[in-house]
Amino acid sequence: DTAVSQTPKYLVTQMGNDKSIKCEQNLGHDTMYWYKQDSKKFLKIMFSYNNKELIINETVPNRFSPKSPDKAHLNLHINSLELGDSAVYFCASTPRGQGAIQYFGAGTRLSVL
Amino acid sequence: DAKTTQPPSMDCAEGRAANLPCNHSTISGNEYVYWYRQIHSQGPQYIIHGLKNNETNEMASLIITEDRKSSTLILPHATLRDTAVYYCIVIGAAGNKLTFGGGTRVLVKP
Repeated sequence: DTAVSQTPKYLVTQMGNDKSIKCEQNLGHDTMYWYKQDSKKFLKIMFSYNNKELIINETVPNRFSPKSPDKAHLNLHINSLELGDSAVYFCASTPRGQGAIQYFGAGTRLSVL
Repeated sequence: DAKTTQPPSMDCAEGRAANLPCNHSTISGNEYVYWYRQIHSQGPQYIIHGLKNNETNEMASLIITEDRKSSTLILPHATLRDTAVYYCIVIGAAGNKLTFGGGTRVLVKP
């Protein structure tokens, strides 16, 4: 009955590869997010989707492409992975009208070698 | 959104109250104070938020000074499971772009 679930939890890959991270929420929320947390634990927003429509894109390289097949899912595809992409990626969702009260997944730790 | 300043770390005895301060001297009139925490290897967890009145829920209490330039998160009876990094952020009423800085690393000791 996990509210926001991400897969995989860990991802180790070589530079130049393409990988995807999946996120699903069963809370009935309309808005979902992707965040990146770097090694110093600074968390920054990357993207936000509201009911399958992109509403926030924070100057993220276009190697990162979010996809929302329906409002319960927001996946993140990363092309041509670079060493600097190593981080923990968090998915989150929020109820309508509660923009800053967000429910986070457990994170996906991406290591690019 | 206004910048916040928190002490980097603090210890607390199990069963005692933990008082976590946050300075936000540049907060503007329509900005709220939110608190989140992040337990090791987990995603951030919302705790509480407020505008100018003190707030309480099942997790914590939030005390905001009258001039709104600082606030204190109170964990009334800290348990070992409250060991985490606590983040104070200030964000506008319609804001949804959360940005976490250094936070306060709280260690609850038996």
